[in-house]
Amino acid sequence: QVQLVETGGGLVRPGNSLKLSCVTSGFTFSNYRMHWLRQPPGKRLEWIAVITVKSDNYGANYAESVKGRFTISRDDSKSSVYLQMNRLREEDTATYYCSRGGVRGAWFAYWGQGTLVTVSA
Amino acid sequence: DIVMTQSQKFMSTSVGDRVSVTCKASQNVGTNVAWYQQKPGQSPKALIYSASYRYSGVPDRFTGSGSGTDFTLTISNVQSEDLAEYFCQQYNSYPLTFGAGTKLELK
Repeated sequence: QVQLVETGGGLVRPGNSLKLSCVTSGFTFSNYRMHWLRQPPGKRLEWIAVITVKSDNYGANYAESVKGRFTISRDDSKSSVYLQMNRLREEDTATYYCSRGGVRGAWFAYWGQGTLVTVSA
Repeated sequence: DIVMTQSQKFMSTSVGDRVSVTCKASQNVGTNVAWYQQKPGQSPKALIYSASYRYSGVPDRFTGSGSGTDFTLTISNVQSEDLAEYFCQQYNSYPLTFGAGTKLELK
């Protein structure tokens, strides 16, 4: 069955960096766009990044709130997607989820358990 | 950005009732809308995609409808396990956006 497992969350000071990882299994990873989303405590879900597949040159797209600070990447050989987060702010505090894009559109059938990132001095 | 508005933050219901959760898009998104259920401490679970298609394994008491800007998730014969928060999402264009959620509570 499809599984996604996020790791790398934790407590970090404002201005610092953190890298999240998401290891997947149960599907042909290289065929799918992969996304990162987040959910601040008590708030709505926010989509933050997508990375396409090799045939689309691994193009990436970002939410304005993270553009220029966060970088999404993938390693098809490891069925993994990553989120490098730089210049972190307190408002980046959230549970971060990776998810697989659908065959017919960017809706999310599969979610990891999430990893909590807390940005605080 | 397309704003997805769920005007009801909370809805009260009883087991066995029928309840409708609404979502309005700020512009036409066709039928590119999904619905998710989330319980405290858990990841979201997909219920509906393409506005009206039930995801695999989702009970048939969950029904999605709508197109354009107005969408509805209807739960017939509400069960106790349906008490959760429900979010809509548009995937017609980037950035993908979600509604603020509607919490279903017992009367």
